[in-house]
Amino acid sequence: NAGVTQTPKFRILKIGQSMTLQCAQDMNHNYMYWYRQDPGMGLKLIYYSVGAGITDKGEVPNGYNVSRSTTEDFPLRLELAAPSQTSVYFCASSSGPGSGNTIYFGEGSWLTVV
Amino acid sequence: EDQVTQSPEALRLQEGESSSLNCSYTVSGLRGLFWYRQDPGKGPEFLFTLYSAGEEKEKERLKATLTKKESFLHITAPKPEDSATYLCAVQAINFGNEKLTFGTGTRLTIIP
Repeated sequence: NAGVTQTPKFRILKIGQSMTLQCAQDMNHNYMYWYRQDPGMGLKLIYYSVGAGITDKGEVPNGYNVSRSTTEDFPLRLELAAPSQTSVYFCASSSGPGSGNTIYFGEGSWLTVV
Repeated sequence: EDQVTQSPEALRLQEGESSSLNCSYTVSGLRGLFWYRQDPGKGPEFLFTLYSAGEEKEKERLKATLTKKESFLHITAPKPEDSATYLCAVQAINFGNEKLTFGTGTRLTIIP
């Protein structure tokens, strides 16, 4: 009953460091998403993928990179971390792109850049 | 630009005290409006999708309704376990899940 699994749950990074947030789903969903959630702001889409090998930018992609080599995994790479990237990151997946395809979220990764 | 405004930001109710949460939206043609529940330290959990004005959906003590400008999440005789942040999101026609616009949520606290 795993659904969408994110690691790590918490991480503190120093300015300029890099790291990868891992995301895996076991529902055989083609569509996967990375969101960030900041206090007082709605969830913002960073990147999304419609299938293995296909990724595209969302609303706030700067400072991030993604890859999708398998259906199950969708890691998010932070290069040269900045304080503005302090946030909660959610990975999500859905079976399709439309409003009838429920989006399932992971439990989140809390990232602090100091 | 699509916009979603949720009110109030926070709401405290006594157990059993019914109330409503509001989600006002502007979108260039609505494909779907979504309600999610988010517990502290967790990811959003899907509740409902509404597609057209006049539609209603229910789940336990929650009922979601939709008009052309807003959606309401009615909570009847709430219990402490209903305490959470409730998020609203809209999806515009001609776009998929990659273009959801989320509100900032209403933080609901039910006091025993």
